[in-house]
Amino acid sequence: QSVLTQPPSVSGAPGQRVTISCTGSSSNIGAGYDVHWYQQLPGTAPKILIYGNSNRPSGVPDRFSGSKSGTSASLAITGLQAEDEADYYCQSYDSSLSGSRVFGTGTRVSVL
Amino acid sequence: EVQLLESGGGLVQPGGSLRLSCAASGFTFSNYAMAWVRQAPGKGLEWVSAISASGGSTYYADSVKGRFTISRDNSKNTLYLQMNSLRGEDTAVYYCAKDTGSGWYSYNWFDPWGQGTLVTVSS
Repeated sequence: QSVLTQPPSVSGAPGQRVTISCTGSSSNIGAGYDVHWYQQLPGTAPKILIYGNSNRPSGVPDRFSGSKSGTSASLAITGLQAEDEADYYCQSYDSSLSGSRVFGTGTRVSVL
Repeated sequence: EVQLLESGGGLVQPGGSLRLSCAASGFTFSNYAMAWVRQAPGKGLEWVSAISASGGSTYYADSVKGRFTISRDNSKNTLYLQMNSLRGEDTAVYYCAKDTGSGWYSYNWFDPWGQGTLVTVSS
């Protein structure tokens, strides 16, 4: 049961900027819990992209950025590249579900 | 380099059982909590279960509570998931993931993930 809602798909031309929203509620993002973002390239396992709302692990290009406000978070990709075509998932913690880390519904990014 | 290698997936009949394993290397296994996350075909990610670094605390999603059991053997650097009373809706790729802390804390995340093992529940 996904309690974090993302748009099913977003698309953009190479070089453009796209954003992915992650909408939660007062028991998860709105309660102050951190949001993390994962990238899943076709046929591979997810990989951490952004942690702690806005931090990039070493090796992740600075084209990727994250932010959080209220009950929502966002992932932005600037200077979109063909290699960014993948599924993206947000993840947080929900205090209404015992011990539960929760994922977003996922967003497919397509490069036109 | 941190590596996680899952095994044990396969085809099982509804009501059957299966045990997944995840062999870890490249880090001090006994210092980190571990988790299982699954992904049904063509669907999103779902957290399934987690265990603290010592193995003393375990956590389960409501969808598997009472049917699945997570455990670890720190002497063998291996994580397990015993799955009983399997249902069709348990069909998924099961990923083993390393947590970024020793306990199951709200602010941690999964990094890295194994390549996954496919479990198919069907008659």
